[in-house]
Amino acid sequence: GAVVSQHPSWVICKSGTSVKIECRSLDFQATTMFWYRQFPKQSLMLMATSNEGSKATYEQGVEKDKFLINHASLTLSTLTVTSAHPEDSSFYICSAGLAGYQARDTQYFGPGTRLTVL
Amino acid sequence: QKEVEQNSGPLSVPEGAIASLNCTYSDRGSQSFFWYRQYSGKSPELIMFIYSNGDKEDGRFTAQLNKASQYVSLLIRDSQPSDSATYLCAVKGGDYKLSFGAGTTVTVRA
Repeated sequence: GAVVSQHPSWVICKSGTSVKIECRSLDFQATTMFWYRQFPKQSLMLMATSNEGSKATYEQGVEKDKFLINHASLTLSTLTVTSAHPEDSSFYICSAGLAGYQARDTQYFGPGTRLTVL
Repeated sequence: QKEVEQNSGPLSVPEGAIASLNCTYSDRGSQSFFWYRQYSGKSPELIMFIYSNGDKEDGRFTAQLNKASQYVSLLIRDSQPSDSATYLCAVKGGDYKLSFGAGTTVTVRA
């Protein structure tokens, strides 16, 4: 149980284009989803917290107009990287918490999406 | 941002030995603590979580938590080559957010 999927698993795009990444909880409802970014040899950095039916909460330094997050249902959150540039190339990972999410509950991670911007 | 510190390693241990990983955190209000394993190019997978002071064992893994010292550790007994990975310590406070350490790379020598 508690499986999270991401699509696509990898994407290559040209500079200036937009890329959408989907995160789905397959066998549970997730009121809260998290988006992380990981650069090579570095740890995961939280970008934003996505709450179903409301606006996402972005971490300091993350441009909300560049990284658009939509959490339209209890099983789907999307991250759109708008006008992508080479410095946006990274490993993007989502995670989901169970409905009724409490501080002690575990986050389940998706397999990640590797974005390369040429 | 909560700070989570780990020794970056690499930590090299012979097969069958015990690997010991350490983690300290800055936020005394932290409530739950997690160890994730991450293979190269993959996303993290949960190994263990611990909430209360003391030890928690799960198979070959033992997590130890000392809230007074703001310290959490992970022991891997009978290390196997398949345990070679980066181990991430993660800490969660009342805001439900996970803060990750930089990770410790473990190499198990056959």
